[in-house]
Amino acid sequence: GQQLNQSPQSMFIQEGEDVSMNCTSSSIFNTWLWYKQDPGEGPVLLIALYKAGELTSNGRLTAQFGITRKDSFLNISASIPSDVGIYFCALSNDYKLSFGAGTTVTVRA
Amino acid sequence: NAGVTQTPKFRILKIGQSMTLQCTQDMNHNYMYWYRQDPGMGLKLIYYSVGAGITDKGEVPNGYNVSRSTTEDFPLRLELAAPSQTSVYFCASSPGRGRAASTDTQYFGPGTRLTVL
Repeated sequence: GQQLNQSPQSMFIQEGEDVSMNCTSSSIFNTWLWYKQDPGEGPVLLIALYKAGELTSNGRLTAQFGITRKDSFLNISASIPSDVGIYFCALSNDYKLSFGAGTTVTVRA
Repeated sequence: NAGVTQTPKFRILKIGQSMTLQCTQDMNHNYMYWYRQDPGMGLKLIYYSVGAGITDKGEVPNGYNVSRSTTEDFPLRLELAAPSQTSVYFCASSPGRGRAASTDTQYFGPGTRLTVL
């Protein structure tokens, strides 16, 4: 699979905070995807990006496809408790996906 | 539509035992996939299929086998279970080429948690 570096590995959120995470790849790709996995469930697609520089929103989530086509960012605005879970970036290579290691989001006590 | 269903949800195997993880989708998708998820490692592709009768290896196929006799079903077979196969297994499907929805939208099942002791 492709080398994907996702950071941070984990983060704590407080309700109302804005948080962000990012992914970088070793190669250029045409499609970046962001998935979320709730505990005990399979991943669900949040946002798909198909063009360098593209900025796409899905509710409080915003993702950007980097100009270099080697990176992507996901921002969550005004966090709420149900934002906890694992967020994965993924690259599409033809019809196969390569996933990053994930960012685990936890609510700060 | 039930989407992608997987059975069983949980299973404990002894070393050397065999089992089949079942996966069924009712969305008439051409493409189906099997992934394994280990803690902190993301999802790794085991096998995939682009249509009935066609399967191919992914990134981590060793120790597994698959078959695709129908569009709906894509079972994953473990012949000689080993502790290294302890993981959560996810099946997914996507529409495939020439469909209205992007092939990048993969729909995942709820997973099978397998422990090999």
